[in-house]
Amino acid sequence: KAGVTQTPRYLIKTRGQQVTLSCSPISGHRSVSWYQQTPGQGLQFLFEYFSETQRNKGNFPGRFSGRQFSNSRSEMNVSTLELGDSALYLCASSQLPGQKNSPLHFGNGTRLTVT
Amino acid sequence: GNSVTQMEGPVTLSEEAFLTINCTYTATGYPSLFWYVQYPGEGLQLLLKATKADDKGSNKGFEATYRKETTSFHLEKGSVQVSDSAVYFCASDSNYQLIWGAGTKLIIKP
Repeated sequence: KAGVTQTPRYLIKTRGQQVTLSCSPISGHRSVSWYQQTPGQGLQFLFEYFSETQRNKGNFPGRFSGRQFSNSRSEMNVSTLELGDSALYLCASSQLPGQKNSPLHFGNGTRLTVT
Repeated sequence: GNSVTQMEGPVTLSEEAFLTINCTYTATGYPSLFWYVQYPGEGLQLLLKATKADDKGSNKGFEATYRKETTSFHLEKGSVQVSDSAVYFCASDSNYQLIWGAGTKLIIKP
């Protein structure tokens, strides 16, 4: 079974631009979560989608948005990029929302650098 | 709010040494607890989990016991290998998201 696939692996953008990251979950998984990982803040929850609906959202500004398609693939978008948005963005999928009985399976991440 | 605190790294050990990485949590109620591992250049992988007090999670020689009385979930391994070098994250679930520790980098020298 293929794992969670994130594209692209690396991305370099300049301040003010916008970026779209893509995530394909494990086949059969309907829940997709996004996390931002930085050396200073660690792992922070961005949002979770299940069956094309955003179920939960972390404490990030409105510049960060996402969506999920009918095939469970998800995209996240960051508009008006800032230097502080440089991070590793991780996508995780699970069969069901919540972690207790449906652990997260992570992709290898997209490394975004904003210059 | 809920939080997870784990020991700062890096932790440097020799091969075959005993490993302990401490993790404590604060939470309302009884969260599930997790250890995830991140190898260089990769995403996180679930290492083990425990869903209620006194549960012991185990995988690949690693163990952790859910201790409600001390609100802890320390990770242990009896004999580490060079291939265990990675960053280890402790996490607890809180409603709809995981609350993560800062991560502990483990370096195993041959």
